[in-house]
Amino acid sequence: DSGVTQTPKHLITATGQRVTLRCSPRSGDLSVYWYQQSLDQGLQFLIQYYNGEERAKGNILERFSAQQFPDLHSELNLSSLELGDSALYFCASSFRDRSQETQYFGPGTRLLVL
Amino acid sequence: QQQVKQSPQSLIVQKGGISIINCAYENTAFDYFPWYQQFPGKGPALLIAIRPDVSEKKEGRFTISFNKSAKQFSLHIMDSQPGDSATYFCAASKLSGNTGKLIFGQGTTLQVKP
Repeated sequence: DSGVTQTPKHLITATGQRVTLRCSPRSGDLSVYWYQQSLDQGLQFLIQYYNGEERAKGNILERFSAQQFPDLHSELNLSSLELGDSALYFCASSFRDRSQETQYFGPGTRLLVL
Repeated sequence: QQQVKQSPQSLIVQKGGISIINCAYENTAFDYFPWYQQFPGKGPALLIAIRPDVSEKKEGRFTISFNKSAKQFSLHIMDSQPGDSATYFCAASKLSGNTGKLIFGQGTTLQVKP
């Protein structure tokens, strides 16, 4: 158990809909990363928040947005869903020391768009 | 543009054998190279990581070899066990920057036969 929690575990929805994925980081971790895992694209970085502020952006679609709240949990919002958005979505929180940064991944949310 | 290339896509090894997975990167600004292990239905978990100031790092049966001039690094699993059967991802990051976002390779599915 990484200490990172994600809800829901599974999500089935229809094209055009909007969903919200939730992530609670490990206690004390200020950074939250979101990644998308699909068969054709592999594991891709979407966006990072650090202590409530957006820190870095990857190949995140304009239909997707995220935020990190004062209690450090994060939400990833996916709107106008398309079939191709079906994927596993992971969040990770991180601890950085002098020599490395360990990202602890949650169990993921499996999204199926029908 | 695939910044981290990983091979092979899949690997079958007999119990007790050596598993070798290779990665190559393009961006010389990367300064942190972790390997993640993912079991079915779980999130990736950090296995071992290396910085470019060393050529090799060993932790138990797992060793990373790093060749800075060739921009390549590899994971060696000695005495491979059936419990090592999983998907392995190499990754690269720029720790010296303000984000630890990970750029992942495409993954290698390892099967260790008893």
